Amino acid sequence: AQKVTQAQTEISVVEKEDVTLDCVYETRDTTYYLFWYKQPPSGELVFLIRRNSFDEQNEISGRYSWNFQKSTSSFNFTITASQVVDSAVYFCALRPRGGGYQKVTFGTGTKLQVIP
Amino acid sequence: DGGITQSPKYLFRKEGQNVTLSCEQNLNHDAMYWYRQDPGQGLRLIYYSQIVNDFQKGDIAEGYSVSREKKESFPLTVTSAQKNPTAFYLCASQPGQGTDTQYFGPGTRLTVL
Repeated sequence: AQKVTQAQTEISVVEKEDVTLDCVYETRDTTYYLFWYKQPPSGELVFLIRRNSFDEQNEISGRYSWNFQKSTSSFNFTITASQVVDSAVYFCALRPRGGGYQKVTFGTGTKLQVIP
Repeated sequence: DGGITQSPKYLFRKEGQNVTLSCEQNLNHDAMYWYRQDPGQGLRLIYYSQIVNDFQKGDIAEGYSVSREKKESFPLTVTSAQKNPTAFYLCASQPGQGTDTQYFGPGTRLTVL
């Protein structure tokens, strides 16, 4: 069985602060994919990143960075110099690698509020 | 522009009525999905379809029905058998199987009066 835990339900930061969103997962699969999605107030889930389980290299994209640590089953997301536009709910997700249909398991989300 | 559209954005239903939520994509994706989102919860899978004329139940299919007559379209019907239908419904599509990522539409918020 798969499980994704986002223990932080809500986080508030002041604009320009850095913030890290935690994601811890459980899976018996040896190969899998991890995802982060952003859900702004409009409701649409916006894809941010997909990470393959055998690629533990950290990734940076502008103000966003992701830290994948297989040893601790974590895939944390950091926003540097946060902005009001970052205010949203962020979801972490997990999917086994393999052919055919593979179920995506989502965490319950972390609501980030960036205060101007 | 390629993308996924859902309509309507807001939908109100009286108890005992069936309603159909539309989902259309022009991305030429093979697979399509319907999720339900409740406040403070993650997404739960209702139905999915990997190919035209084929679909499978997800984790919470009871009270819902779907069809996949065209590659571009995957409508979801919320029937009167669904006990608690008020929720936010998200449609997603995926290019194929394997490594592909799911991409989401803007969602439909259904409220039962």
